[in-house]
Amino acid sequence: GAVVSQHPSWVICKSGTSVKIECRSLDFQATTMFWYRQFPKQSLMLMATSNEGSKATYEQGVEKDKFLINHASLTLSTLTVTSAHPEDSSFYICSARGTSGGSNTGELFFGEGSRLTVL
Amino acid sequence: GNSVTQMEGPVTLSEEAFLTINCTYTATGYPSLFWYVQYPGEGLQLLLKATKADDKGSNKGFEATYRKETTSFHLEKGSVQVSDSAVYFCALINTGGGNKLTFGTGTQLKVEL
Repeated sequence: GAVVSQHPSWVICKSGTSVKIECRSLDFQATTMFWYRQFPKQSLMLMATSNEGSKATYEQGVEKDKFLINHASLTLSTLTVTSAHPEDSSFYICSARGTSGGSNTGELFFGEGSRLTVL
Repeated sequence: GNSVTQMEGPVTLSEEAFLTINCTYTATGYPSLFWYVQYPGEGLQLLLKATKADDKGSNKGFEATYRKETTSFHLEKGSVQVSDSAVYFCALINTGGGNKLTFGTGTQLKVEL
């Protein structure tokens, strides 16, 4: 099946620094990618929808200046956590909507997640 | 709004035991319901789905029936294996919710020999 890969799988950074997480669709083109955040023992919460070549659409309550999303190509979306603080420590997961022959198949494929720890 | 409630884990079973992971939902209209599975170190994978009331989704010996009257989509398997150890997420998509997936909190399953 389709593969979505995230990098890095885990990262530790100091408070005040910025961290970039990459999400790649390895064997298909993804015009739409999604970024989720998961706190321990809580649901995956959708943060934003990333559309190739246009601005991301953020969910209510998500700071777009804090969580910068770039979807510059059909196989790569990046999430940058700017000026990270300990409360940003979380598990970040991306997903991409599958395509076949250029049409949207609708199925979502998920990356393995990236665990961010801010000291 | 939409919400999904799953039983808390971890659930620990012996191999060949019967599995039930409860899932109930709140949504307007007619959502589609999903179970995703996340094996250690991997991304979430679609396990099964059901798109209308009374539909039964099934895959790899797992099954779940869309029960509109009880707003439930419980996951079952008759005989679990050690390889079924994973985290299971119940989710829904509702056209009234902008076609966005709403997830439950996930239930960790541990199967022991």
